[in-house]
Amino acid sequence: AQSVTQLGSHVSVSEGALVLLRCNYSSSVPPYLFWYVQYPNQGLQLLLKYTSAATLVKGINGFEAEFKKSETSFHLTKPSAHMSDAAEYFCAVSGGGANNLFFGTGTRLTVIP
Amino acid sequence: GAGVSQSPSNKVTEKGKDVELRCDPISGHTALYWYRQSLGQGLEFLIYFQGNSAPDKSGLPSDRFSAERTGGSVSTLTIQRTQQEDSAVYLCASSLDAGGLETQYFGPGTRLLVL
Repeated sequence: AQSVTQLGSHVSVSEGALVLLRCNYSSSVPPYLFWYVQYPNQGLQLLLKYTSAATLVKGINGFEAEFKKSETSFHLTKPSAHMSDAAEYFCAVSGGGANNLFFGTGTRLTVIP
Repeated sequence: GAGVSQSPSNKVTEKGKDVELRCDPISGHTALYWYRQSLGQGLEFLIYFQGNSAPDKSGLPSDRFSAERTGGSVSTLTIQRTQQEDSAVYLCASSLDAGGLETQYFGPGTRLLVL
């Protein structure tokens, strides 16, 4: 069985501050991990994915995530928040014959000017 | 097309009516997925297609839900005798091939409201 847990349904940061969105996964097989972003009234857009190559994954818009097997984590970070980063972020896991994605409940990021 | 498209973008229906939701995947993508996004339930997997066959229907919430895919392209999700709890955003995604590491590209969704 696979699942992800996103700690914090809402996160607020000041413009220019570090963004840290937490994701922990549970998987009985080596996981593939994804971060998607959803802007208001838009579909999900892939930010980055981990597929067992480098543990530090760089994505679009300056975001990156690090796969830590010992902590079963895949937290999303960005050194400096922009106003345009305000959106909902979803962590997801797949693998082990499961072709579909299992999503976390999402974290809504607010950027304060 | 350039991306996954879905129609209609919004649908309001009365309880008990049937609805059909359409998804046009990215050209050349063999795998197609349906998800549902609702308040309190998050993003739930419904069904996926590899070509025209559906190896995994495990997420369909009841026998009122069905889906088909023809010609390895367009897919239709049908909800019969709609209920208020069916109100949600229905998202379609496609990927080049099935497999957990493939990137799924999502459409903008169909927002369904059952009155």
